[in-house]
Amino acid sequence: AQKVTQAQTEISVVEKEDVTLDCVYETRDTTYYLFWYKQPPSGELVFLIRRNSFDEQNEISGRYSWNFQKSTSSFNFTITASQVVDSAVYFCALSEASNFGNEKLTFGTGTRLTIIP
Amino acid sequence: DAGVTQSPTHLIKTRGQQVTLRCSPKSGHDTVSWYQQALGQGPQFIFQYYEEEERQRGNFPDRFSGHQFPNYSSELNVNALLLGDSALYLCASSLEGAAYEQYFGPGTRLTVT
Repeated sequence: AQKVTQAQTEISVVEKEDVTLDCVYETRDTTYYLFWYKQPPSGELVFLIRRNSFDEQNEISGRYSWNFQKSTSSFNFTITASQVVDSAVYFCALSEASNFGNEKLTFGTGTRLTIIP
Repeated sequence: DAGVTQSPTHLIKTRGQQVTLRCSPKSGHDTVSWYQQALGQGPQFIFQYYEEEERQRGNFPDRFSGHQFPNYSSELNVNALLLGDSALYLCASSLEGAAYEQYFGPGTRLTVT
């Protein structure tokens, strides 16, 4: 069975600090996908990134960066120079690969990030 | 280009009643998935519809049922509501064969009293 663990329930940092959100996953599949979503107070899940299990390159997108390490089954998310608009709940999710291309997502319990002005 | 839309936004029902939630997928998408998100939890997969049939199902009782229409829109029905069914219900749409791109709607907040 698949499982995603986000051990950090809540994090608060002062604006402009860097912050890392941790994600650890479990799966018996050799091919799978990892995701990060942002959920602002409005409730809608906003897609941030998708990574497949064969691509362990780190990725940077503006102030966001992701570190994928298969050896430790982790997919951590770092926000550099945080801003108040980054305040939200962040979810890590896992999906097994299939011919459908849209398998169900297994989510972690989320990390509530608060950026203090 | 309209994204995923859901209706209603909020809903209050009494225990034992039945409820129907609606979802219109993003333009061009043919697959709809439903998730339940209890307060303080991550979304849990309920089921997925493609070509008007249920293709995948999570660990939810038969009280949860759904339907997909020829225009790809979808309904989620919950019978015999329990207090524990109170949650945010999220709909996600995707395109068959697309590289795992699921777009979520704003959700319907269901409160059961």
